Amino acid sequence: EVQLVQSGAEVKKPGESLRISCKGSGYSFTSYWISWVRQMPGKGLEWMGRIDPSDSYTNYSPSFQGHVTISADKSISTAYLQWSSLKASDTAMYYCARHMGGPGGFDYWGQGTLVTVSS
Amino acid sequence: DIQMTQSPSTLSASVGDRVTITCRASQSISSWLAWYQQKPGKAPKLLIYKASSLESGVPSRFSGSGSGTEFTLTISSLQPDDFATYYCQQYNSYSTFGPGTKVDIK
Repeated sequence: EVQLVQSGAEVKKPGESLRISCKGSGYSFTSYWISWVRQMPGKGLEWMGRIDPSDSYTNYSPSFQGHVTISADKSISTAYLQWSSLKASDTAMYYCARHMGGPGGFDYWGQGTLVTVSS
Repeated sequence: DIQMTQSPSTLSASVGDRVTITCRASQSISSWLAWYQQKPGKAPKLLIYKASSLESGVPSRFSGSGSGTEFTLTISSLQPDDFATYYCQQYNSYSTFGPGTKVDIK
């Protein structure tokens, strides 16, 4: 069974750093891109960027380029989303999702990680 | 960037109604479009990919059509489980989601 399991909820202060994770199982982790998607409270879905776990090649949405870092460790089938200095506006639910490949779409999603940034 | 719009933003309907949601892209995306359903507190669920291909396990009352810049998601007979928010997504050039359409009870 394909699963993406994300790390737990985080409460951080502005200026702190954070890395959240997304562990894939039940499939060949290096065969499918992973994307990260933000959903601010009560708002829609925003694509942040993606990574090819086979070689860690990344693409970012212009809206998020320079604000977050996406990485992966294929030895443990885990993708990461990282901030070096959080802002209150980073408060959101963050989802990882697997690209189905070929015809596209995100066929499997993590359960989400809620990040709260508050002083 | 490719921008996506959806209409309507909210749709009130009754069980058994035929429901259509429209998604438009700011430039041609061929058929590289997906539709998702999201319920409160849950991750999105893939319904349709490549504009009209039904994801495995998704009821056949869901269908998608269109190409280029205009796309539709149709629910042929709305069921109680279908009240949710629906998003379109382009993946012709990286990815962009539409703003969503909330389907609620009339």
